[in-house]
Amino acid sequence: GQQLNQSPQSMFIQEGEDVSMNCTSSSIFNTWLWYKQDPGEGPVLLIALYKAGELTSNGRLTAQFGITRKDSFLNISASIPSDVGIYFCAGQVGTSGSRLTFGEGTQLTVNP
Amino acid sequence: GAGVSQSPRYKVTKRGQDVALRCDPISGHVSLYWYRQALGQGPEFLTYFNYEAQQDKSGLPNDRFSAERPEGSISTLTIQRTEQRDSAMYRCASSLVSSWDNEQFFGPGTRLTVL
Repeated sequence: GQQLNQSPQSMFIQEGEDVSMNCTSSSIFNTWLWYKQDPGEGPVLLIALYKAGELTSNGRLTAQFGITRKDSFLNISASIPSDVGIYFCAGQVGTSGSRLTFGEGTQLTVNP
Repeated sequence: GAGVSQSPRYKVTKRGQDVALRCDPISGHVSLYWYRQALGQGPEFLTYFNYEAQQDKSGLPNDRFSAERPEGSISTLTIQRTEQRDSAMYRCASSLVSSWDNEQFFGPGTRLTVL
C-alpha cells in the first residue's frame, strides 16, 4: 500500500543534540501529523498540522507543513534519553474521520 | 479514563485457522479504525467505521479479511483461513470525530503469529 517516504530510517545521537527528520509524498495531504511509538505501545500523537506553511511547536518539538502539501519535517531540540522511540509521520487527505497514511518511521536512539 | 483496548494482546494460530481480534474504543468515540503494522514499518490502513457503518474497507488485503461493529462500539476484525503472511501487529484506533477534533488514539495492538 501507499506509504510516505520518511528519512532518516534511524539516528544515533548524544543527549543534548538537536534532531531533524522529514517526510515526503507524491500525493497532497490536507493534514500532516507526527506520532511517537514506544516499545509495546501504540503510536501517540505529538503534533498535528492543518495548514500549508504552518509551523507548530510543542515544547522541544517543532514541525512544519510544507507549502506544496507534499512534505513535512519534525525537529527535536536538546534531546533527552526519554526521546528514544520510533517517530512516524502521517498524512490525512480529509479532516474528520479519514484514514491515515504513515511513513516507515525513524528509530531514534539517544546516548546519555 | 480508559484508552483503546485490544484483545487478545498476543495470538498464535496455525495456518488455515480463523482468528477474531477485538477492539474496544474509547467511550463515546464515533470513528474506529483498523491498521496493520509489519515489523519495521508504519501502520497501514485496513478499514474504518463511523458508528456501526463501515465507511471505507479499501485497505483490506483480500476477502479473507472482514470487520464489523454491529452496535457502534466494540469492533471485531476477522481473518479467515489465516496464512503466514498475515502475521503482523494489528492496531485499532478511535477518534471522537467532530469538526475540530479527530485525533486518532491507538490501542496497544494484537500481535498475530501464524505458524
